[in-house]
Amino acid sequence: ELKVEQNPLFLSMQEGKNYTIYCNYSTTSDRLYWYRQDPGKSLESLFVLLSNGAVKQEGRLMASLDTKARLSTLHITAAVHDLSATYFCAVYLSGTYKYIFGTGTRLKVLA
Amino acid sequence: SQTIHQWPATLVQPVGSPLSLECTVEGTSNPNLYWYRQAAGRGLQLLFYSVGIGQISSEVPQNLSASRPQDRQFILSSKKLLLSDSGFYLCAWRDNTEAFFGQGTRLTVV
Repeated sequence: ELKVEQNPLFLSMQEGKNYTIYCNYSTTSDRLYWYRQDPGKSLESLFVLLSNGAVKQEGRLMASLDTKARLSTLHITAAVHDLSATYFCAVYLSGTYKYIFGTGTRLKVLA
Repeated sequence: SQTIHQWPATLVQPVGSPLSLECTVEGTSNPNLYWYRQAAGRGLQLLFYSVGIGQISSEVPQNLSASRPQDRQFILSSKKLLLSDSGFYLCAWRDNTEAFFGQGTRLTVV
């Protein structure tokens, strides 16, 4: 059974600081996704990582994928309050059509 | 462009009542469709997925069922709701590379 684990589960950080969220998964996959969820809202796609070594950046967020280590990271640079949200990683199981989500990381950026 | 519609946005239902949530996708054909549930403050649990009309795969035994009567329509149902069915229900569709989510239905069973 595929397990997708994120850490930390909760993150409170000061504006201007850097931090990394980790996503570990337990089986082979070459597709990993990051989503953002604001309170009471649906999921917004942030990044699609489709190969080993993939790195994508959008504003203050950068995501990377290491398929050999079964690890993805979401790095936050110089955090701002608007980044406060819950972030989910999701792994696509090839041949099964399934997306399995991580536990989520609730990020709070303090002014 | 493709869009996904999900309704209703909010629903309050008594225990033992039936449920029907609908999801439709526009602008694509033969999409893979998904129903997820999110309990308060928790992650997303895959409930059902469908790769074609009439083809439903269930992930967990539960009080819910799903149907796909048309190519771009996915319905989540229950004959008798339980308190534990409360949650945020999200429909999603998949293109070649990623999944896109509807706006969700917040269901409260009272």
